Amino acid sequence: EDKVVQSPLSLVVHEGDTVTLNCSYEVTNFRSLLWYKQEKKAPTFLFMLTSSGIEKKSGRLSSILDKKELFSILNITATQTGDSAIYLCAVSYDMRFGAGTRLTVKP
Amino acid sequence: DTGVSQDPRHKITKRGQNVTFRCDPISEHNRLYWYRQTLGQGPEFLTYFQNEAQLEKSRLLSDRFSAERPKGSFSTLEIQRTEQGDSAMYLCASSAAGTGGEKLFFGSGTQLSVL
Repeated sequence: EDKVVQSPLSLVVHEGDTVTLNCSYEVTNFRSLLWYKQEKKAPTFLFMLTSSGIEKKSGRLSSILDKKELFSILNITATQTGDSAIYLCAVSYDMRFGAGTRLTVKP
Repeated sequence: DTGVSQDPRHKITKRGQNVTFRCDPISEHNRLYWYRQTLGQGPEFLTYFQNEAQLEKSRLLSDRFSAERPKGSFSTLEIQRTEQGDSAMYLCASSAAGTGGEKLFFGSGTQLSVL
């Protein structure tokens, strides 16, 4: 069965720290890998990755995909308290989600 | 508002009752997904539709759960004979499936509490 595994499950850092979140996957029909941020209710889209080695960037967030080793990382530099959230990884074709990483950024 | 909308936002029911949730996707989206999420967990896949066809249903889903998307637009998720373990957030998402990958847009969810 398709599997998406995120690590760590929980992370506590202080403002200004840099964090790296991991997502590994085993799926039979890969199309893309997506990262979402979930604060209160609905997850909000961050990145979609389809090709290996191409880094996607948005401000302090960046992500990269390794299709050979079947994983992706999400980096957040100079963390702020507003980055506190659950970060979710999902893999298409079937849009399976991992359990998420709960990030807490302390002032 | 042209996003994904879900109704109701909250539902409290007694064990054994049936409940039905509705999801209205973004109008041009052909794919619609249902997920269940409990506290501290990622969204758990339940089922998805491409247009009106239900293409996959999770093996974890019991026969008490059924979903429909009769005209390829809105969808309903029904839970029969609810149990306390059904208490969760039920999320709906839609996407425009294409060869280049798809991006899910989520509704705000329906929070179900079974007493």
